[in-house]
Amino acid sequence: ILNVEQSPQSLHVQEGDSTNFTCSFPSSNFYALHWYRWETAKSPEALFVMTLNGDEKKKGRISATLNTKEGYSYLYIKGSQPEDSATYLCAFRGSQGNLIFGKGTKLSVKP
Amino acid sequence: EPEVTQTPSHQVTQMGQEVILRCVPISNHLYFYWYRQILGQKVEFLVSFYNNEISEKSEIFDDQFSVERPDGSNFTLKIRSTKLEDSAMYFCASSRQRNTEAFFGQGTRLTVV
Repeated sequence: ILNVEQSPQSLHVQEGDSTNFTCSFPSSNFYALHWYRWETAKSPEALFVMTLNGDEKKKGRISATLNTKEGYSYLYIKGSQPEDSATYLCAFRGSQGNLIFGKGTKLSVKP
Repeated sequence: EPEVTQTPSHQVTQMGQEVILRCVPISNHLYFYWYRQILGQKVEFLVSFYNNEISEKSEIFDDQFSVERPDGSNFTLKIRSTKLEDSAMYFCASSRQRNTEAFFGQGTRLTVV
């Protein structure tokens, strides 16, 4: 059974803090790693799709790194803002094609 | 900006009844998916669909479930005889290619009573 783990489960930070969280996934049969941002009552919003070992992607204050050999990805948020509050999901795509999601990290940013 | 739309947003049904959840994927996308999330649990893959046929399905997707693309725009998930444990948020997604990002709809909350 393929398992994708995210930590921490939840995170509370102050506005302006930088933060990061982890996604662990199987290192075999790797095809892609997806990060999604999911606000309550909205659809998950795609942030990044990462395919190559050593990939680094950036979108504004959010960036992500990928290590396929050891099976982890980090998501970083620089200078967190209240509007960054959401659940951040990672999803592993193996050779079979479908996405296997982690449980998510719920981020709360206090003003 | 193109988006995936799902209807209804909330469906309440009696146990044993059939339900059809509807999705309109993004128009130039070729791959379609259904996922579900039971309250407090992970988002789980149900099925993927390409070229008018199922390409992958999970163990959850048993004979009670079926998918269809009846008219070239809608993508539907049918549950023949709903059970209490089918209560979940059902998400439809689509992607242009198999390995590109999947765009999700807002979900249909199914409540079986």
